[in-house]
Amino acid sequence: GQNIDQPTEMTATEGAIVQINCTYQTSGFNGLFWYQQHAGEAPTFLSYNVLDGLEEKGRFSSFLSRSKGYSYLLLKELQMKDSASYLCAVKDSNYQLIWGAGTKLIIKP
Amino acid sequence: ETGVTQTPRHLVMGMTNKKSLKCEQHLGHNAMYWYKQSAKKPLELMFVYSLEERVENNSVPSRFSPECPNSSHLFLHLHTLQPEDSALYLCASSQDIPGGLNEQFFGPGTRLTVL
Repeated sequence: GQNIDQPTEMTATEGAIVQINCTYQTSGFNGLFWYQQHAGEAPTFLSYNVLDGLEEKGRFSSFLSRSKGYSYLLLKELQMKDSASYLCAVKDSNYQLIWGAGTKLIIKP
Repeated sequence: ETGVTQTPRHLVMGMTNKKSLKCEQHLGHNAMYWYKQSAKKPLELMFVYSLEERVENNSVPSRFSPECPNSSHLFLHLHTLQPEDSALYLCASSQDIPGGLNEQFFGPGTRLTVL
């Protein structure tokens, strides 16, 4: 079966750095997405990785290792508005997105 | 209107009711999706329309019926639902290009409660 694993909940302090991990087992791989979803709102696209390595976009970076079936989302200089759920999704061999259950990130002052 | 819109935002219905959820995308995309989001569970893909043709997910009960009259509009018709169908229903769209990013843009969702 296909599976995406990510921690259910994480807590971090304003101004700090947090890393949210995602491991996957899918039938084929055609890219990995990270989305952010604030409570009661639509998921919004954060990043996309298809090759191994680090993609940096401002305070957010995403890393991929295809051989390990592993990705992480790194958030720097945390702000209160970063409190949200972070969803990891993998595009499989049929180009369908397989989603993780999301990681709820709580930022404390 | 911009992006992806959904109506209604909230819906409470009895098990014998018939209702419809509406989604409209203003992005010129060629694919649209219905997802079910339950608390602490992964997004469940229900239906996909690509170039107005339906890609069916066989695990979706027949009490959910999609309709895609054109590339900008998507409906989800609901009838004789069960309490376990209570969830957030999200619509999304994407521009599907072979080998492309094909990022999905989501609407705000309809919070459905079945009594």
